[in-house]
Amino acid sequence: GAVVSQHPSRVICKSGTSVKIECRSLDFQATTMFWYRQFPKQSLMLMATSNEGSKATYEQGVEKDKFLINHASLTLSTLTVTSAHPEDSSFYICSARDRGGRTTEAFFGQGTRLTVV
Amino acid sequence: AQSVTQLDSQVPVFEEAPVELRCNYSSSVSVYLFWYVQYPNQGLQLLLKYLSGSTLVESINGFEAEFNKSQTSFHLRKPSVHISDTAEYFCAVSHSGSARQLTFGSGTQLTVLP
Repeated sequence: GAVVSQHPSRVICKSGTSVKIECRSLDFQATTMFWYRQFPKQSLMLMATSNEGSKATYEQGVEKDKFLINHASLTLSTLTVTSAHPEDSSFYICSARDRGGRTTEAFFGQGTRLTVV
Repeated sequence: AQSVTQLDSQVPVFEEAPVELRCNYSSSVSVYLFWYVQYPNQGLQLLLKYLSGSTLVESINGFEAEFNKSQTSFHLRKPSVHISDTAEYFCAVSHSGSARQLTFGSGTQLTVLP
């Protein structure tokens, strides 16, 4: 199956700093990538939809100035958590759909555990 | 709008026993249905999916799920579980028209006991 690589897998940062998370589709092109957030023992909540070459679409309640998304190429989307605070600590997961035709399946990255201290 | 309900947040079961993880959905349009599995501190892996055709779909590791349109359900079953099946299982639905966004259920933690 298609591979989505997410980096880093774990990151610890100080409160007030910014953290960038990368999501790459390794063997396919993805015009659309999705960013999810998962709190402990809870389901995935869609944060935003990242579209290559255009602005991301954010879900209601998600601060676009705090969670900056850039989708500069067909294989890379980045999520930057700006001025991170402890309440931003969470598990962030990206997914991507294959532009080439397998549009019914989304492939997920391995996730990033963010801890803000 | 669509929603997914997983009634059981935790399901403990002994090894080699059968298991059923329940999933119900609501949608005003046709949908695709998925089951994903998540191991600790990892992303999601697709277990199986229903798009069309046969209502019974199977995975390579012995799981199966049956789409029941009248009951709007997509329950996941396995006749005999292994310790390695211990994980979080998520049921998800997407609009069959755009097939883009996934809506997830709250997840079911399956714990297989020796």
